[in-house]
This record gives sequence, C-alpha cells and structure tokens, in this order.
Amino acid sequence: NAGVTQTPKFQVLKTGQSMTLQCAQDMNHEYMSWYRQDPGMGLRLIHYSVGAGITDQGEVPNGYNVSRSTTEDFPLRLLSAAPSQTSVYFCASSSIQGLGANTEAFFGQGTRLTVV
Amino acid sequence: RKEVEQDPGPFNVPEGATVAFNCTYSNSASQSFFWYRQDCRKEPKLLMSVYSSGNEDGRFTAQLNRASQYISLLIRDSKLSDSATYLCVVNQFYFGTGTSLTVIP
Repeated sequence: NAGVTQTPKFQVLKTGQSMTLQCAQDMNHEYMSWYRQDPGMGLRLIHYSVGAGITDQGEVPNGYNVSRSTTEDFPLRLLSAAPSQTSVYFCASSSIQGLGANTEAFFGQGTRLTVV
Repeated sequence: RKEVEQDPGPFNVPEGATVAFNCTYSNSASQSFFWYRQDCRKEPKLLMSVYSSGNEDGRFTAQLNRASQYISLLIRDSKLSDSATYLCVVNQFYFGTGTSLTVIP
C-alpha cells in the first residue's frame, strides 16, 4: 500500500534552474496539497487541488506552479529556483466525508531542497 | 491574521507530567480539526481528530471550543516517546507552527 509517493527525496539546484517535484497517491483522494516547512514557520500551504482539473493558491504560491491532470498526480514546479526556496517540501492527500468535512491527510516523506 | 495560531514552545517536561497545547483559529465556519505529530525530519502523521464533544485516546484528550475558536490537546503521564512536534490543523490545509515537546527522564 504505497499511499503518497514523493520524489525526489533530496535535491540541490542552482539559482535560476527549474525543476518539478513529483507527488502521486493511490488512495483515490480528491484533495491534494503542497506545503513547505521552514524552521519556526510550521507547514505553509503553497497550492492545493480539490479534484482533477482544479487548483488554487495557498498562502505562499509565488514562484511555484501546479497542475492536476489526473486524480493521482499533483506535481509542483519551481519555475526559476531562488535561495529563498530552500526548504523541506511535503505533498499530502485527503478525502472528503459527509457535510464537507475533511478526513485525515496522508503525507509523502518530503523533499529536502537546497538552492545555491 | 494567520488562519491558525499556535504557541511554538518549546515545552520541556519531566516524565509523568501533564502538558497541554492550544491553538486558536480565525475562521468561525471551520469544520475539521486535527492534531498531528511530527518526529524530527519525518512527515507529519495524524495523532487524533478533534470532535465537537471532545474525545480521548488513551493518555491523549482533544477538545474543541467553537465559541472561543480554539482547540486543545492534553497529554497525561508523559512518556519519553512523546517527544516530538505537535501540529494543530484546521480545515485540512491550515497548520499551526507546531509546538515542540521534549519529555525529560
């Protein structure tokens, strides 16, 4: 039972490079989301999706793009990496239960990104 | 104003102590509330959901106060293995900054 698979686990980029962080879930969850976690800041929402073809911005969307062409996949693209994007990135998925309440979020293992 | 405010701590408590964490949230229409636990350099994992009537799971008790818009987590008889960061979550997407707990022998 794979759950949420996030790749790569580690990445070093040079300033200005672009890359895509991959996230896939096999639980048929409607909701998927990307977070970054920095010391003392908790998890901050970058982008989220409530279903295939639907995405929206979170708290800190600048410098990142997402797409949701399938239920399973939710890649995060860094357009032009900057040192300020050095962080740990988590992808998560969850489902919706009755009355619009969310169920538990399942997280990938995280990607540690360093931009030099 | 942030969606969720949480005291970052750190909390350093002796084994066997009782410790409580609180979070306040800004959206009065919020419907889902959770506590997650995060170990060092790991992903967050669900500790427990928070229900309107309050709920208990062993040594852990979660409560919701809709009128004052806060949720709480009480840990009784702390164990060394409880050392971690505890994150409150509101409406699935909005996390508090996390409260660091260290249980000391």
